[in-house]
Amino acid sequence: DVKVTQSSRYLVKRTGEKAFLECVQDMDHENMFWYRQDPGLGLRLIYFSYDVKMKEKGDIPEGYSVSREKKERFSLILESASTNQTSMYLCASSLRGAPGNTIYFGEGSWLTVV
Amino acid sequence: TQLLEQSPQFLSIQEGENLTVYCNSSSVFSSLQWYRQEPGEGPVLLVTVVTGGEVKKLKRLTFQFGDARKDSSLHITAAQPGDTGLYLCAGARAGGTSYGKLTFGQGTILTVHP
Repeated sequence: DVKVTQSSRYLVKRTGEKAFLECVQDMDHENMFWYRQDPGLGLRLIYFSYDVKMKEKGDIPEGYSVSREKKERFSLILESASTNQTSMYLCASSLRGAPGNTIYFGEGSWLTVV
Repeated sequence: TQLLEQSPQFLSIQEGENLTVYCNSSSVFSSLQWYRQEPGEGPVLLVTVVTGGEVKKLKRLTFQFGDARKDSSLHITAAQPGDTGLYLCAGARAGGTSYGKLTFGQGTILTVHP
């Protein structure tokens, strides 16, 4: 059974604190993604990685950074969390190749910044 | 900039009714995917359409990709309460990288009442 696991389902941070969201996939996928999901806006891509140590900015990278030191692990870092980063964060992975490849999502991490 | 416009945003119907969700864009997509998401979980892929004019059926769900590959529709026949959820369309841009980056619509929240 394919699996994308997000380590923290619920996280509460104060404004200015560092937040760290970790994601692990067990499918040996090259691609990994971080999206945020907000009501009425769908999913918006923050960053994606197509290989170890490789990363590219998505549509809304400001205020975020990522790390991919191992193929199976992709971390999202908020160095100084702000209230407008309160959201649901989804990690995903897929095989490299055709754009129609299935993307597998984790269950999501709810981040609240107070 | 929202490249995929999904409508309607909310749909509340009675069991047994039919419904259609639309996904429109001015951009051409090499493929388009439909996902379903239940509360507390990540999106799960329902179908991928690749060829202009393609129609795919999944039990009571019919998916169509427009001839020009700029739009898609999801039709559900005789909706059941188990169809309740958030439906998302997502397109892979034509001519883009093969990294699997997708652009998501805003989503349609479907509620089917018994």
